[in-house]
Amino acid sequence: QLVVTQSPSASASLGASVQLTCTLKSGHINYAIAWHQQQPEKGPRFLMKVNSDGSHTKGDGIPDRFSGSSSGAERYLTISSLQSEDEADYYCQTWGTGIHVVFGGGTKLTVL
Amino acid sequence: QVQLVQSGAEVQKSGSSVKVSCKASGGSFSSSAISWVRQAPGQGLQWLGAIIPLFDATNYAQNFQGRVTITADESTKTAYMEMRSLRSDDTAVYYCALAASYGRGDGLHFDQWGQGTLVTVSS
Repeated sequence: QLVVTQSPSASASLGASVQLTCTLKSGHINYAIAWHQQQPEKGPRFLMKVNSDGSHTKGDGIPDRFSGSSSGAERYLTISSLQSEDEADYYCQTWGTGIHVVFGGGTKLTVL
Repeated sequence: QVQLVQSGAEVQKSGSSVKVSCKASGGSFSSSAISWVRQAPGQGLQWLGAIIPLFDATNYAQNFQGRVTITADESTKTAYMEMRSLRSDDTAVYYCALAASYGRGDGLHFDQWGQGTLVTVSS
């Protein structure tokens, strides 16, 4: 069964860096994922696709402060020089064969 | 770059149906995969299903099989999601999301989202 897991919450200080993790279930550790950001009271926005080799492709207009990487079954989103507007929910999304999509439960990022 | 514009908010009675539209402008539509995703109040994102207009191919999440129908009109670049037998726990914001990457053979990640449509189900 295709499943991705995220920690429910994370926090970091203004100007610092934070790394969010999305973990793929055994049997699917080579899958790519996508990260989406949802700021309060807004719809989701595509941030980037992260491949199993760590390469990533960002969406239009996504600042350089956002980057992606991989290690084994884990896919990461790193945000550097945290700003107040980065306080948001971050969702991991992956897909399987036959047009099947799965979301993680989301990580709520608090900027202190 | 594709822009997605959804239809307006809906209030429906329990047991009735609702149909939400999603109109695309710019970019590719037919070869993309268009999904519908919902978000109940205070909850995360839940995938309902998807369509590839070029092949008129659809797939649905198991929980919504038989209750949701996704269609697309290539001539107007509009996708539709119809949900039947509405219940109070179907109250949510419904989003359409487009994966242009699908047509390029580059996966199924949503690189464009609609603005969302609030569907409220009342008893």
